[in-house]
Parts: sequence; structure tokens; C-alpha cells
Amino acid sequence: NAGVMQNPRHLVRRRGQEARLRCSPMKGHSHVYWYRQLPEEGLKFMVYLQKENIIDESGMPKERFSAEFPKEGPSILRIQQVVRGDSAAYFCASSPISREGEKLFFGSGTQLSVL
Amino acid sequence: AQSVTQLGSHVSVSEGALVLLRCNYSSSVPPYLFWYVQYPNQGLQLLLKYTTGATLVKGINGFEAEFKKSETSFHLTKPSAHMSDAAEYFCAVKAGGSYIPTFGRGTSLIVHP
Repeated sequence: NAGVMQNPRHLVRRRGQEARLRCSPMKGHSHVYWYRQLPEEGLKFMVYLQKENIIDESGMPKERFSAEFPKEGPSILRIQQVVRGDSAAYFCASSPISREGEKLFFGSGTQLSVL
Repeated sequence: AQSVTQLGSHVSVSEGALVLLRCNYSSSVPPYLFWYVQYPNQGLQLLLKYTTGATLVKGINGFEAEFKKSETSFHLTKPSAHMSDAAEYFCAVKAGGSYIPTFGRGTSLIVHP
């Protein structure tokens, strides 16, 4: 059973370009979480999705950021018109169900660098 | 509301010494608590978790943690550090019906030979 797959591992963009980060959850998992990691700041929650639904996007910046998890295919985190402050590691995690005691399975992350 | 505080962004120990990584949480209801480990260039993986029942929880790689409600703590320990334990450790909490874990800032464990 393959783990959570994220691609690309590294993504370099110039200011103003768009960044698309992909996450394929583990087989059988229908819950996806996106986190952003900055040095010395730990993991910050961005968005929680189920298939075709955004459940909680309280951690997502109101502008330029969007996420989706379609019925078929990976979850996508999209950042439009990137700025240098968007440079960070973005992690996706998945779980089979939504339950308080349930652990998350993490991907290896996408390191976004904005020049 | 739920939150986690990890005391000490860096902890340095000698190989064979006791490892103690501190975590305090804030929650108005009984929490679910987790410790995750992150090795360089990898995602997080679960070390152990507390849900209900026994307050001393044993995890992988010889780690354990004790839930102390009176102290709102969930410190991570290991009797004898190995070089391979060098990594970033994150404490996380879920509480009050939230399905979204809140993570602490992380503690970098450095192991000296």
C-alpha cells in the first residue's frame, strides 16, 4: 500500500507565477489535510477536505490560495501570483476516516521556493 | 480552543543519555494527544498517541509518553538516546470535537556521540 504521495518534491517559481502542489492520499483514504511548515514555526493548518468538499479552510489565506479534492485524481493546492513569503514546505496528510483519535499519514512534502 | 506548547526548540543529549521532550497542551475538554517524528526531508510519522485509558503510552523506537491531566502535560521520554533518534519531534492535540490536529512548533533533538 503506497503511502501519501506528493509531487513535485521541489518547486521553484518566480514572483507572480502560479504554483500547483499535488497530493495523492493513501488508498482508501478520503480525508486530506494540507499544512505549511516554516522554520521555527512548526506546522500550520491550512485546509481540510473530503472528496469534492472543503470541510474547513480556516487556515487558508483569503486571497491567492485555493484547494480542491475532486472525485477522481489527487488533491491540488493552488497558489496564484506567488510571493517570496509563500516559500515554505507544504505537507499533505490523509486519513481513512474523520475521528478524534485517528492519526494522520503524511507525505514527504513539497518545498516551494519563490525567487 | 486547543493549543500546544513545546518547551525548547532544541534539545541536545549524549548517546545513551535520557531523552526528555516537553509538551504542554491547552484544552477545555479531554484531549487526544500525539507525538510525531520528522526525519530530514521526510514527512511526519506517528510515534505514539493517547486517546483514553492508560496514561502511560508506549510507542515505536523505545519512546513513551505520560498524560498528566493535572499538569496538562504529555512529555516524551526515552531511557537511552541513539544517534538515529536525531530528528524533529512534534506534539499535537485534538479536542472538543475538532478533527484537525494542532501542532506545536517542534523540538529538534540533537544526539552527540
